[in-house]
Amino acid sequence: GQQVMQIPQYQHVQEGEDFTTYCNSSTTLSNIQWYKQRPGGHPVFLIQLVKSGEVKKQKRLTFQFGEAKKNSSLHITATQTTDVGTYFCKGGGADGLTFGKGTHLIIQP
Amino acid sequence: ETGVTQTPRHLVMGMTNKKSLKCEQHLGHNAMYWYKQSAKKPLELMFVYSLEERVENNSVPSRFSPECPNSSHLFLHLHTLQPEDSALYLCASSQGLAGGSFTGELFFGEGSRLTVL
Repeated sequence: GQQVMQIPQYQHVQEGEDFTTYCNSSTTLSNIQWYKQRPGGHPVFLIQLVKSGEVKKQKRLTFQFGEAKKNSSLHITATQTTDVGTYFCKGGGADGLTFGKGTHLIIQP
Repeated sequence: ETGVTQTPRHLVMGMTNKKSLKCEQHLGHNAMYWYKQSAKKPLELMFVYSLEERVENNSVPSRFSPECPNSSHLFLHLHTLQPEDSALYLCASSQGLAGGSFTGELFFGEGSRLTVL
């Protein structure tokens, strides 16, 4: 079945540094979704990408969907302590319910 | 407030107990899900219901028994659990299927933290 691999598993950054997490699929995805889970919280939907090569921005967050619709990235510019948490991707398609294992973002002040 | 309410938020039970987790969504969605979250498997799909019918069961042990009496309510009945079942159980809902594939945004509840002694 469809699997999405997410890297890195953990990322330590200094506050103010940039952060990127990557999501890769072995199959073509109909869409990709990104979620954020704060420590002690629950996953919250951030965005959905549908089109090949699509780029969307939310303030300091930039989301990209690859041309082949098999990979995606989330980039955060100038991280802040409020960005702490785990970022999950979820690929859409025949098995559109499988999440990546997430990237834990740890920010050191 | 996500529109998806889970109770109880915390539950401690012995291996011989029977308990239930409850989920209610107020979003008018027609698909509901149970996910298990643990350190080993961050977001593991357990059950999916669409229009009150189970459409997916990811080989979950029979000691977990789901029930979906209507499109707004979802239960997870627990019996003779093992300590390794201790985890955060997350309920989610979505607008349902699109073109036969699950493409809807998921709205999660705050979860039920289960500890099995």
